[in-house]
Parts: sequence; structure tokens; C-alpha cells
Amino acid sequence: KAGVTQTPRYLIKTRGQQVTLSCSPISGHRSVSWYQQTPGQGLQFLFEYFSETQRNKGNFPGRFSGRQFSNSRSEMNVSTLELGDSALYLCASSLTVLTYGYTFGSGTRLTVV
Amino acid sequence: QKEVEQNSGPLSVPEGAIASLNCTYSDRGSQSFFWYRQYSGKSPELIMSIYSNGDKEDGRFTAQLNKASQYVSLLIRDSQPSDSATYLCAEGGTDDGLTFGKGTHLIIQP
Repeated sequence: KAGVTQTPRYLIKTRGQQVTLSCSPISGHRSVSWYQQTPGQGLQFLFEYFSETQRNKGNFPGRFSGRQFSNSRSEMNVSTLELGDSALYLCASSLTVLTYGYTFGSGTRLTVV
Repeated sequence: QKEVEQNSGPLSVPEGAIASLNCTYSDRGSQSFFWYRQYSGKSPELIMSIYSNGDKEDGRFTAQLNKASQYVSLLIRDSQPSDSATYLCAEGGTDDGLTFGKGTHLIIQP
């Protein structure tokens, strides 16, 4: 069965631009969570979506947003990019909420220059 | 703010020996704990979950949880070079995602 698919794999953006990342969860999984991974801070929770609703959000500014579609696919958007937004963005798929045995996608490596 | 603490390593273990990885967590209300393995350049992969005090074994891996001491550990028996990776400890259960430690870099020496 197909895993979690994230696109694109790599992105280079300029400060001030915005970016949209996409995630398709494992078929049948309805919960999608997003994490940011940096060498300094490690893995940090961004937000979780279930049934097209954001259930909770981590400690990130409002420039970070997301949404989930009826087919459980999810997108996250970062507006007004800053150099510090350079990171690996990981999407995690799970059957339902409060089940943290995630399957992670391969991630999107975002570089802001 | 919840915290999960891990020794960053590197932890160097001879092939065939037992590798012991540890972490502590700050939130006494945490209900579930996880160990993820992350190879360089790859995404994290779940290897163990544990919810109750005591030991849980799965093949060469044993997870141990002590809620009174707020301590979680992972033992890897008969360590292989392919076990060389960064091991991430995480806690969850309060509906705000997982809180990850920064990981322990494990090196298995042939």
C-alpha cells in the first residue's frame, strides 16, 4: 500500500515569498499532522487536521497555516517567508486522532534565501 | 511547556552488544511514549510504542517505561551496523501532538 506522499521534495524560496506544501496520507488515514524539523530545535509540532478541521496547533506564528480536503489530503502554507523557516517539513499520517503511531512522509526540504 | 530530554551522543556500541538509549519527560500527564528511528537524510520511522509501566518487547527491541521517574528507555539487543541512526523519543496523549526529544545519535561499530 502506498505510503505518505509529500510534494515537492525540495524548494528554494526567497524571503518574503509564500509557499504551499502538499501531503497525501495513507489511504484510509484521516488524521494528518505537520511537523517542522531543524538541527537546532528538532521536531516541532505545527498542527493536526482531522475531517477537514484543524484540531490543534503548535507554538508557531500565524504565518503558518494549513487545511485538509475531503479526501484527507492536506496542504500547509507559509506566508512572508523568513530565513529561519528553512527546515524539513514532515507530514505524518494516522488512522484517527490521538493515535500517535505516525507514518511520516519523506518530507519537503525548504530553503529560504 | 512540555519537554523531552535525550543525550545527543554519539553513543558508540560494539556490534553484537546491547545499546541502551534513555530519555526523560516533564509532563506527568503524558500517556503514551514512542521511539522513532531516523537514518541520515530520511524521515522518522516508528519502532516502538509503550503506554504502561514496565517492559515491552518486539524482536531485538525492548522499551521500558517508569512513570514515577518519568523515564523511558529503549534497549537494542544484538546491535547491528544497520541500527546506526538517530533515535527520537516522543511523548503524547494530551491532544497537542507529539513532543519529541532532539534525539540520540547511535553508532554501532563493526
